[in-house]
Amino acid sequence: DVKVTQSSRYLVKRTGEKVFLECVQDMDHENMFWYRQDPGLGLRLIYFSYDVKMKEKGDIPEGYSVSREKKERFSLILESASTNQTSMYLCASTIQESTDTQYFGPGTRLTVL
Amino acid sequence: RKEVEQDPGPFNVPEGATVAFNCTYSNSASQSFFWYRQDCRKEPKLLMSVYSSGNEDGRFTAQLNRASQYISLLIRDSKLSDSATYLCVVNAVGFQKLVFGTGTRLLVSP
Repeated sequence: DVKVTQSSRYLVKRTGEKVFLECVQDMDHENMFWYRQDPGLGLRLIYFSYDVKMKEKGDIPEGYSVSREKKERFSLILESASTNQTSMYLCASTIQESTDTQYFGPGTRLTVL
Repeated sequence: RKEVEQDPGPFNVPEGATVAFNCTYSNSASQSFFWYRQDCRKEPKLLMSVYSSGNEDGRFTAQLNRASQYISLLIRDSKLSDSATYLCVVNAVGFQKLVFGTGTRLLVSP
């Protein structure tokens, strides 16, 4: 059974802080994704990665960066958190050959004060 | 225009009812279509893929109309446990990227 884990379920940070959100998957998936989910806006893709050290911008990359040093781990970084980055952050992974079943982590609810 | 559009609902139905959701997509080159289910405060999970010929999984039936660029999900004999948000998902043309609709909320009451 695929398992995607995220480092925190809830996180509270202050404006200007550097924030790291970690995601780990245990199924040797090539592709990993970071989304944010906001009411009325749905899931929006921030960044994705199709291999170690590879990254691609999604639809809303501004204010974020990512790191993929190991295949199983994909980190989302907020260099200087702002209040408009308060959101639910969801990580997902999928095997290289398929675009269908994305397996999601439980999400991190980030609040920036 | 949004790439994927859904009626946000909520759809309030009694147990045992049949309910249908529609979703429209804007990119005619889209090739893969899915319905995901998301429970309150949980992550989305794949419910079913949608094939051109239509497909059924128990009480759930999904259909695709390429000419009109919409997909549908029909739930028969609704259960309380069907209460959730249903996300319409379409692949974006390009590298393995999915576009999610904002979801349709279903509430099934006793």
